[in-house]
Amino acid sequence: KQEVTQIPAALSVPEGENLVLNCSFTDSAIYNLQWFRQDPGKGLTSLLLIQSSQREQTSGRLNASLDKSSGRSTLYIAASQPGDSATYLCAVTSNTGKLIFGQGTTLQVKP
Amino acid sequence: DTGVSQDPRHKITKRGQNVTFRCDPISEHNRLYWYRQTLGQGPEFLTYFQNEAQLEKSRLLSDRFSAERPKGSFSTLEIQRTEQGDSAMYLCASSEEDWVGTDTQYFGPGTRLTVL
Repeated sequence: KQEVTQIPAALSVPEGENLVLNCSFTDSAIYNLQWFRQDPGKGLTSLLLIQSSQREQTSGRLNASLDKSSGRSTLYIAASQPGDSATYLCAVTSNTGKLIFGQGTTLQVKP
Repeated sequence: DTGVSQDPRHKITKRGQNVTFRCDPISEHNRLYWYRQTLGQGPEFLTYFQNEAQLEKSRLLSDRFSAERPKGSFSTLEIQRTEQGDSAMYLCASSEEDWVGTDTQYFGPGTRLTVL
């Protein structure tokens, strides 16, 4: 059974700092890995999708990497801003398309 | 294209009552997913449809839960005889279903259910 774990559960950093969020999964037979952002009480917004054959994806200040063999992904946020404060979720896609999520990392960026 | 919409956004009900939620996916999206999210946790898969066919159901979907997508467009999720443990955010997502490796799911704002 696929299990997804995110570390840390919560993170507080000063504005401008670079940071890394971690995600690990137990079964390397994934189709892709996605990172989502969730604001309090809201739905999820897709940030980056890394296909199983890819190593990384970049969007603006965000960079996500994938190492299937070790079952790990990282989300790197450069020059963090208060507007980045949210919960970040990683999810792997099964062969049926359903997403299996980690429990999320809640990020607070202090001005 | 206005994105995925869900109705209602909030529902408060008493234990034992039935509730029904609606999800309108992005038009022409073939796949529709339901997830449930409790406080402090990531979403958990409940079920999904490809067009009008319900292709997979989680063990979380007890016999009190039923989902439909009668014409392959909007979907409803009904919970009968609600229990306090059903209190959660219910999220709907849709996707175009290319190959699953590149398929991005677009999420609605969710319906927050509180069972008193």
